[in-house]
Amino acid sequence: SQQGEEDPQALSIQEGENATMNCSYKTSINNLQWYRQNSGRGLVHLILIRSNEREKHSGRLRVTLDTSKKSSSLLITASRAADTASYFCATAHYGGSQGNLIFGKGTKLSVKP
Amino acid sequence: GAVVSQHPSWVICKSGTSVKIECRSLDFQATTMFWYRQFPKQSLMLMATSNEGSKATYEQGVEKDKFLINHASLTLSTLTVTSAHPEDSSFYICSAPHTGTNEKLFFGSGTQLSVL
Repeated sequence: SQQGEEDPQALSIQEGENATMNCSYKTSINNLQWYRQNSGRGLVHLILIRSNEREKHSGRLRVTLDTSKKSSSLLITASRAADTASYFCATAHYGGSQGNLIFGKGTKLSVKP
Repeated sequence: GAVVSQHPSWVICKSGTSVKIECRSLDFQATTMFWYRQFPKQSLMLMATSNEGSKATYEQGVEKDKFLINHASLTLSTLTVTSAHPEDSSFYICSAPHTGTNEKLFFGSGTQLSVL
């Protein structure tokens, strides 16, 4: 069954604005990752946050993790039209085989120029 | 970063034929590869875990005789959709964890299969 559930399902913003996407999960995790998918393409790894971390930055990306609420957020600052894509959270849980991630349903982000 | 190449990018076939999809790790060895299926506007559903030198592990509800997986080398895994039917039409994606960073996955570009 799907572990992560993203919110919102779709998000439309203007270039320059910030975009925030949320992800909730159900069981204990080892780490949580965010991936990006352009239409009709494979996924690209963006950032990984471990269960003992609360916040992580990478360029214009900021990820938070709240294990008590079993939730994470991805913030993209100063968005660009090129950020238009679907974003998925994926969780690695204890006892799972390495690399076996469970993906959420994704948030489709549209950034209008 | 690590590169995973998936081929073909798209394929159209007649109902009843078999289609083979290849997934190669180009600059690293992958003892494990994952195969997913993705319907339009939906998430990735793990179909099976491909293990080099041994049998693949299939997720519940995935027919192993329908979706044949072979992982004969450390850089190549193949998924064969046997006797394809229109309901098998979907986007298939493979991924592999890099040996040095087993936690994150590197994905192929996907294969769009259309069965007429």
